[in-house]
Amino acid sequence: SQTIHQWPATLVQPVGSPLSLECTVEGTSNPNLYWYRQAAGRGLQLLFYSVGIGQISSEVPQNLSASRPQDRQFILSSKKLLLSDSGFYLCAWRETGLNTEAFFGQGTRLTVV
Amino acid sequence: GQQVMQIPQYQHVQEGEDFTTYCNSSTTLSNIQWYKQRPGGHPVFLIQLVKSGEVKKQKRLTFQFGEAKKNSSLHITATQTTDVGTYFCAGNHNYGQNFVFGPGTRLSVLP
Repeated sequence: SQTIHQWPATLVQPVGSPLSLECTVEGTSNPNLYWYRQAAGRGLQLLFYSVGIGQISSEVPQNLSASRPQDRQFILSSKKLLLSDSGFYLCAWRETGLNTEAFFGQGTRLTVV
Repeated sequence: GQQVMQIPQYQHVQEGEDFTTYCNSSTTLSNIQWYKQRPGGHPVFLIQLVKSGEVKKQKRLTFQFGEAKKNSSLHITATQTTDVGTYFCAGNHNYGQNFVFGPGTRLSVLP
């Protein structure tokens, strides 16, 4: 069966520090991968999605970046965090195709102080 | 660009009352999915609707897809405290690998 792992679960970082969140998927190959951010009590904002290794589409210009160094690994990074980067970050995957459901990781709650 | 709207943003109901959330897309969808996110948790897939006018039921939950495949609704009959959470619709289009989430409806159920 397929599983998705996302870590860490919580993170407190000072303003200006770097960020690296990692997400890995097991039990499938060539999945579509997604990074979302959710502000407290708000909806899901799509940040990046990837349809293959090295292929990243950015939905929102900001100081975040994403990389997909391996087929089932998706990394969200920042060189210098801002206070506004605080939020709940969710990684998700789905099989290639239109009629496929998304599976979300447990999420990382990031607080920038 | 593609937009998916959802109303209401919040809904407070007394336990036992019914609840409905509505989802509208600016463009025709290939399918629509519904997810539930419990407080502090991550979204979990509930159901997918593909056909025009499709209606699906899961116990007390009824999902509908509009004839024009631009809108959808989720109706919960006789809400329970376990229904608390945020309900998201997500619209898939006939191109690309992206799908767009609505802003969600947060449901509170008072015992």
